[in-house]
Amino acid sequence: NFMLTQPHSVSESPGKTVTFSCTRSTGSIVTNYVQWYQQRPGSAPTAIIHEDNQRPSGVPDRFSGSIDTSSNSASLTISGLKAEDEADYYCQSYDGSNVIFGGGTKLTVL
Amino acid sequence: QVQLVQSGAEVKKPGASVKLSCKASGYTFNSYYIHWVRQAPGQGLEWMGILNPDGGDTTYSQRFHGRFRMTRDTSTSTVYMELTSLTYEDTAVYFCVREHERYHFDHWGQGTLVSVSS
Repeated sequence: NFMLTQPHSVSESPGKTVTFSCTRSTGSIVTNYVQWYQQRPGSAPTAIIHEDNQRPSGVPDRFSGSIDTSSNSASLTISGLKAEDEADYYCQSYDGSNVIFGGGTKLTVL
Repeated sequence: QVQLVQSGAEVKKPGASVKLSCKASGYTFNSYYIHWVRQAPGQGLEWMGILNPDGGDTTYSQRFHGRFRMTRDTSTSTVYMELTSLTYEDTAVYFCVREHERYHFDHWGQGTLVSVSS
C-alpha cells in the first residue's frame, strides 16, 4: 500500500487563505479519488471534499480540493479563514479495498 | 435522517476481547457499506475494515492480524465489530462509518471509547 503524507501543522490568520498538501508515496495520485475530512476537538470527522474536488451539500465554497500530478499530491484550500476552521484535517484515499488516511494536519487560526 | 448510533464506552483488561455495536437508521441498511475507523488518543485516523451489509462480505486491514471481525444483523440494521487479544495500544475511540460511494465516508457514528487497562 502507498502512504499519504501531510504536514503536521499549519497556522494562518483569519481572512487569509491556507492550502494543505497530501502527497501520495507510490503510484499516481489520480488513480484513486481523494477525500478530505475536518475533525474538531471531541467530535467525529466530517467530510468536506470527496472525489478529489466535490463538496458535500452544506459545505461552504470556501473549501476546495484539487489534484497536482506534478507533485503527486492532493490539496485542500480554505479561503477567508474563520476561527471555526481551526481543526484537524485528514486526507484519505484507497488501494483496492484498503482505506488509507494521511496523518492529519492541525490548522491553527491565529 | 441518517444516524449511526454506537454502543457505550468499554474498559477492558489486556488480553480480553471487546465487541461494539453500530445501529443504523434513516436509510436502506443493505445499500451502503460500513467501515470501522479508530483513533488513539492524540493520534490520527486508522482504518480497520469494511463490511457489505448485503451479503456480509468483509475485508480487514492486515494490521490487525486476524484479531478483528465485523458482522451484521440485518433484522436490526446493526453492525458489530469484535477485537480480540487487546493490548494497551488498542485504547482508542472507535467509529463506525457509512460509505456513500467510492470511499466517501458521509456519515460517522458518535464514537466509542475503548480503554485497555490492567
